[in-house]
Amino acid sequence: DTGVSQDPRHKITKRGQNVTFRCDPISEHNRLYWYRQTLGQGPEFLTYFQNEAQLEKSRLLSDRFSAERPKGSFSTLEIQRTEQGDSAMYLCASTNPNEKLFFGSGTQLSVL
Amino acid sequence: AQSVTQLDSQVPVFEEAPVELRCNYSSSVSVYLFWYVQYPNQGLQLLLKYLSGSTLVESINGFEAEFNKSQTSFHLRKPSVHISDTAEYFCAVSGSSGSARQLTFGSGTQLTVLP
Repeated sequence: DTGVSQDPRHKITKRGQNVTFRCDPISEHNRLYWYRQTLGQGPEFLTYFQNEAQLEKSRLLSDRFSAERPKGSFSTLEIQRTEQGDSAMYLCASTNPNEKLFFGSGTQLSVL
Repeated sequence: AQSVTQLDSQVPVFEEAPVELRCNYSSSVSVYLFWYVQYPNQGLQLLLKYLSGSTLVESINGFEAEFNKSQTSFHLRKPSVHISDTAEYFCAVSGSSGSARQLTFGSGTQLTVLP
C-alpha cells in the first residue's frame, strides 16, 4: 500500500439521494481525517478518528453526515438527503506518528 | 482562532523565472506553518513546514519559505521555476500542539508555469 486511496473518484447524484464514500488509509496509520474542499477554497476539517473512535467533529458536519471507522482501518462517510450545497471534493487523510498528513486524491461529489 | 490568507489566487510565471507565493496568518497562540502542493488529479502533499528553530525552511525541490513573526507571514519562494511546478499551493497553520486536526488552510494559489 503506497498511499491513501478513496473511492469513488467522482459521484454524481440527484438532490435528496444518499451517498457513501470510502477511504482506505495507509495501513499503519491509526489516525484518519475527513476534509471538505469547495471550489476556490482550501480543505476544511470535518472529522477525525483515532483507530475506531471518532474523537472530534466539526460544526460543518450536520446531522445528515455520518462517518464510521468500524475496525480502525477503512472509513466511510455517508451523506443522507443530499443538497446542492454538499457539492464539493471530500478528502481523506491519515497521519503517521509524527502527525505528517498523507492525503488521498479525493471524491468529487456533484449534487444535481 | 486562527486564519490564513493567501493573497493571490492565480500566479502565472514564465519558466526559469523566480516566484513568490504570499501567505499571511493570524493566530492568538504560537503556530506551526505549512505549505502543501496539489498537482492535477493528485492528493495534497506536504512541501515544507516550520515548527521551530531556523526561520528559513527548504524543501527538496528548491522551494523555500521564511517565517516572519513580526509580519505574520510565511511566503513561499523559488528562484527558478519549472513547468513541472505547475500546481495549486496551499498555506496552512496549526495551533501550538501541531496536531493535524487543528490545521487551517488558506484558499490556495494556482501557480501556472508558462514555457
